[in-house]
Amino acid sequence: DAKTTQPNSMESNEEEPVHLPCNHSTISGTDYIHWYRQLPSQGPEYVIHGLTSNVNNRMASLAIAEDRKSSTLILHRATLRDAAVYYCILGGATNKLIFGTGTLLAVQP
Amino acid sequence: GAGVSQSPRYKVAKRGQDVALRCDPISGHVSLFWYQQALGQGPEFLTYFQNEAQLDKSGLPSDRFFAERPEGSVSTLKIQRTQQEDSAVYLCASSPDRGLLTNEKLFFGSGTQLSVL
Repeated sequence: DAKTTQPNSMESNEEEPVHLPCNHSTISGTDYIHWYRQLPSQGPEYVIHGLTSNVNNRMASLAIAEDRKSSTLILHRATLRDAAVYYCILGGATNKLIFGTGTLLAVQP
Repeated sequence: GAGVSQSPRYKVAKRGQDVALRCDPISGHVSLFWYQQALGQGPEFLTYFQNEAQLDKSGLPSDRFFAERPEGSVSTLKIQRTQQEDSAVYLCASSPDRGLLTNEKLFFGSGTQLSVL
């Protein structure tokens, strides 16, 4: 399974944009890039996913590099409720989401 | 409720006891997944059902772990002769069709926290 690399932690200020990076240099042509987040004491929550083109939804935007070896999750205006662990995961060939340790995002008021 | 429901929310077991963890997926969801999450780690895949068929059990750590979904809806994860290393949060997820294979998102429950003393 292709692996992803994320920073262990990041900090942001409330109401500012947050860019969460993810490297996936061994991504295959059929791998989708998935982002999930996990708030304390809850199960993971879907955020966004994409294959090649940038994607937007009500929660976030996903910017995918042209060579697909990296991607960035963009939260346009961070709120305190966005403090969570964010996981970048490659998947699609099988039905397994292979989670890493993710990025712990802290949001300061 | 509209979400994935898991029970119990917390379970304390003595080493050697058998436990059963229940998952009620979203109604009508075809795919159901079990994950195990140790403290400070990301979730790890255990097993996957499509309706009542267990199509992938490659993540089950030993033959003490057994999962079933006999009628294609509710699922039970059973752990026999629990050991301390089984202490973790057990997460259940469901998706409408074939999950990642049909480009779907997974809906997770809040998990069952198992502590083995």
